[in-house]
Amino acid sequence: DQQVKQNSPSLSVQEGRISILNCDYTNSMFDYFLWYKKYPAEGPTFLISISSIKDKNEDGRFTVFLNKSAKHLSLHIVPSQPGDSAVYFCAALPSGSARQLTFGSGTQLTVLP
Amino acid sequence: DTGVSQNPRHKITKRGQNVTFRCDPISEHNRLYWYRQTLGQGPEFLTYFQNEAQLEKSRLLSDRFSAERPKGSFSTLEIQRTEQGDSAMYLCASQDRPTDTQYFGPGTRLTVL
Repeated sequence: DQQVKQNSPSLSVQEGRISILNCDYTNSMFDYFLWYKKYPAEGPTFLISISSIKDKNEDGRFTVFLNKSAKHLSLHIVPSQPGDSAVYFCAALPSGSARQLTFGSGTQLTVLP
Repeated sequence: DTGVSQNPRHKITKRGQNVTFRCDPISEHNRLYWYRQTLGQGPEFLTYFQNEAQLEKSRLLSDRFSAERPKGSFSTLEIQRTEQGDSAMYLCASQDRPTDTQYFGPGTRLTVL
């Protein structure tokens, strides 16, 4: 039972355009959401996060939107750059003391020059 | 380099052999997590430690798996009697406080022949 779903395995975008990566979750106990970026042969690198009390968080070219009623979040990258090409994982944390991340299956973003 | 380190980076073993991986977290990080990532999937939680105490174990962690963090610093993950299904990337992450970001190491890629 996948509690965090990324339904698009891959996405290709032209350099300079917007990249939108989507993520859905099913567990209402999740109260904190993160995006990680992963290059080949490296571990995931934290990108941006959002608490369930917010609906938007912005950091430079990266913005995460959270729609709690729809149990949906998205990552926007504007403008996209070739160096953004990587696998992007959506992850969620439950409320309470247990803080293990639950990850989606990832979306391979390719930014074309 | 003050990041999370993992050794070895790659391990090839024959079915039935025992293997041990090591993780050195960021200095003074209290929490240490182990995850496993198989091809096409996101990382899946295995277990975590707060200091030297192992506080939670996933159902994925069969009795062939054992993890230790004897002095609350580095951790080891041992797999006994390896099976081909154990082939995966094993990731370690460390965290200072429960509300902080988890920082991942580069992972150990295990191949069981």
